[in-house]
Amino acid sequence: NAGVMQNPRHLVRRRGQEARLRCSPMKGHSHVYWYRQLPEEGLKFMVYLQKENIIDESGMPKERFSAEFPKEGPSILRIQQVVRGDSAAYFCASSPAFGGLNTEAFFGQGTRLTVV
Amino acid sequence: AQRVTQPEKLLSVFKGAPVELKCNYSYSGSPELFWYVQYSRQRLQLLLRHISRESIKGFTADLNKGETSFHLKKPFAQEEDSAMYYCALSTISSGSARQLTFGSGTQLTVLP
Repeated sequence: NAGVMQNPRHLVRRRGQEARLRCSPMKGHSHVYWYRQLPEEGLKFMVYLQKENIIDESGMPKERFSAEFPKEGPSILRIQQVVRGDSAAYFCASSPAFGGLNTEAFFGQGTRLTVV
Repeated sequence: AQRVTQPEKLLSVFKGAPVELKCNYSYSGSPELFWYVQYSRQRLQLLLRHISRESIKGFTADLNKGETSFHLKKPFAQEEDSAMYYCALSTISSGSARQLTFGSGTQLTVLP
């Protein structure tokens, strides 16, 4: 089991471009979480998805950000018209079907987005 | 709203010395707390969870509901313990989503 795979590891975008971040959960995991880490801050919850469903997007900015987890393929976090303030590390985590508060979430290595 | 505070951004101790990484939380419900660790160039990984009451790599953490704390302790630090440590609180949000609220992290350096 290769663990949670995120790609790319590093992404550079110019202001106004689109950024697409991919996350393949661990085998057998159907729940995906995205977190953002701004410089000098902790990880902040963005969105929680199951296959073909967004369960909780309370941490997502209202505009330009979207996420999906299709039936086939990885989960995608999309940021349209990126701005400098979007520069951050974006982490994906996955867990098996909801097993309670103490179900461990496994993290990917993150994608570091730099907007120039 | 829930909140996790790690007051120390940086902490240095000598090898063999005791170490304590502080974590305080605020949450109106019954908390479930974790410590995650990130070694250099590696992914974030679970170190321990309070409900397990276990010791991992010599680390322990006790939930103190009166002081709303979940400090991480180790009696004798080793150089390989040098890493970034995050305290996290697990809660149920709207839609029954389980989400983690993280502190800002403490960078532990164990000096030879």
